[in-house]
Amino acid sequence: KQEVTQIPAALSVPEGENLVLNCSFTDSAIYNLQWFRQDPGKGLTSLLLIQSSQREQTSGRLNASLDKSSGRSTLYIAASQPGDSATYLCAVWSGGSNYKLTFGKGTLLTVNP
Amino acid sequence: GAGVSQSPRYKVAKRGQDVALRCDPISGHVSLFWYQQALGQGPEFLTYFQNEAQLDKSGLPSDRFFAERPEGSVSTLKIQRTQQEDSAVYLCASNIDRGWSYEQYFGPGTRLTVT
Repeated sequence: KQEVTQIPAALSVPEGENLVLNCSFTDSAIYNLQWFRQDPGKGLTSLLLIQSSQREQTSGRLNASLDKSSGRSTLYIAASQPGDSATYLCAVWSGGSNYKLTFGKGTLLTVNP
Repeated sequence: GAGVSQSPRYKVAKRGQDVALRCDPISGHVSLFWYQQALGQGPEFLTYFQNEAQLDKSGLPSDRFFAERPEGSVSTLKIQRTQQEDSAVYLCASNIDRGWSYEQYFGPGTRLTVT
């Protein structure tokens, strides 16, 4: 059974810092990995999707990497801003009968002005 | 363009009541998913439809939970005889095809509180 772990559970940083969020998964046989942002009381906003054949994806100040063989992904946020404060969720899409996303519990990020 | 919409956004139900939660996926999206998100947790899979066919309902926690998508577009998640442990945010997601590379797009969720 696929399990996804996110570290740290919570992170508080001053504005302007670069930071890294970590995600690990137990079954490396994935098709893709998706990073989401969730604001309080809101749904999920997709940030980046990395195919299993890719090593990284970039969007603006966000960069996500994937090491499928070791079961790890990182989300790098450059020059953090207070507006980045949210919960960040990592999810993997496994194959076969597991046609669904398996999520971690998320990292609650607070960026202080 | 229009995203995934869900209604109601908030629902308060007395223990034992039945509730129905609606999801309107993005037009043309073949696959539709329901997830349950408890407070402080990541979403957990409930069930999946491809068009009108429910292909996986392995995540439904009990036989009180029932989902349908009769015409392959709008879906309804019904919970009978609600219990306090059913309190959660129910998220609906859709993607365009069965292709593994496609992203899932999520609705805003329905927050269910059972008192």
